[in-house]
Amino acid sequence: QVQLQASGPGLVKPSQTLSLTCTVSRGSISSGGYYWTWIRQHPAKGLEWIGYVYNIGSTFYNPSLKNRLIISMDTSKNQFSLNLSSVTAADTAVYYCARGDYVGWVDPWGQGTLVTVSS
Amino acid sequence: EIVMTQSPATLSVSPGDRATLSCRASQSISSNLAWYQQKPGQAPRLLMYSTSTRATGIPPRFSGSGSGTEFTLTISSLQSEDFAVYYCQQYHDWPPWTFGQGTKVEIK
Repeated sequence: QVQLQASGPGLVKPSQTLSLTCTVSRGSISSGGYYWTWIRQHPAKGLEWIGYVYNIGSTFYNPSLKNRLIISMDTSKNQFSLNLSSVTAADTAVYYCARGDYVGWVDPWGQGTLVTVSS
Repeated sequence: EIVMTQSPATLSVSPGDRATLSCRASQSISSNLAWYQQKPGQAPRLLMYSTSTRATGIPPRFSGSGSGTEFTLTISSLQSEDFAVYYCQQYHDWPPWTFGQGTKVEIK
């Protein structure tokens, strides 16, 4: 079973860029049919789809975030990344990386990493 | 954007009893619905996709039904490990895929 692990700074200052990397093991991100996905969960709240990358660079972004968002993939490292610019406290959340089926469900999920936006 | 509404917010159930969770879409999503289970401190886990297909390793006490705008997740006989928060997710209309706000199943 493929495994995913998100990593990156746990604290980001307001107006700066949040950068996270997801390392994929026991599977290749170059394999077709999957969308490499970022989802976040605000504290004690529900889940919000951020976006995904597939086919070595094609992306779909949540319209509410797309002006600040870049998702990319590095097949040589079997990783994909999220960059969210101009962050505010509203971007404080647990960020999950996951593998999305081309149809739309998500399985499996990585463990998630808490990112706090604060000065 | 399709809005997913789950009810109730909290469901109190005794072990061994049946639990019925509801999920409503703001417009028809055909059968393009998944369910996830999330336990405290853990990532969500896929339970069900295409409304009624159990994911790998999910026991048969979990079942899903519905189509269009009304969906149900049923847990036939609650086990201790089933107390968790459950989310529905539509993947009919992008962008974006959207989730319900969750139903917490707690011990009565």
